[in-house]
Amino acid sequence: GQQLNQSPQSMFIQEGEDVSMNCTSSSIFNTWLWYKQDPGEGPVLLIALYKAGELTSNGRLTAQFGITRKDSFLNISASIPSDVGIYFCAGQLGLQGAQKLVFGQGTRLTINP
Amino acid sequence: ETGVTQTPRHLVMGMTNKKSLKCEQHLGHNAMYWYKQSAKKPLELMFVYNFKEQTENNSVPSRFSPECPNSSHLFLHLHTLQPEDSALYLCASSQAYGYTFGSGTRLTVV
Repeated sequence: GQQLNQSPQSMFIQEGEDVSMNCTSSSIFNTWLWYKQDPGEGPVLLIALYKAGELTSNGRLTAQFGITRKDSFLNISASIPSDVGIYFCAGQLGLQGAQKLVFGQGTRLTINP
Repeated sequence: ETGVTQTPRHLVMGMTNKKSLKCEQHLGHNAMYWYKQSAKKPLELMFVYNFKEQTENNSVPSRFSPECPNSSHLFLHLHTLQPEDSALYLCASSQAYGYTFGSGTRLTVV
């Protein structure tokens, strides 16, 4: 089946540092999505990417949809304590009706103050 | 109330119990989903409903029984579960791009 390889699996950084994580796939997706999950909560959508090559920002977050449609990265600049959590990439195939998202394994971000 | 609401937030049940998880969405979405999230595993799709019709059952054991009475409500009926079924169960809904997730039900089977 389809799989997304997300790396790194975990990161331990100092507050203020920049963060970079990425996802690769053997399959092509029409949409790439990045989610963040806080402890005890469901994932929350951070950024959605709809076109190959697209670069999108949301505050300190920047994500890109790879030109081959098989990869994506997420960068977080100047990390702060509330950035702690698990970040998931997800690929979406269809554009209408019920969707099947394929999720990466997640990147657990820990920030040392 | 807005978004996707799941109840209960926490559930502890014995292996012989019968319980149900409830999900309600107030977003006007047409599709709803159940996912299982276990430690150190990717999110696992369990069931997909589109316009209250089940469109996918991802080889889920019959001890998990979904019910979708309308496009806004989704249930997961549980019976004779195993300890390895302990996990966070997430409900989500969608209309076009991406999902909106609920906060999940943390299930512990003892």
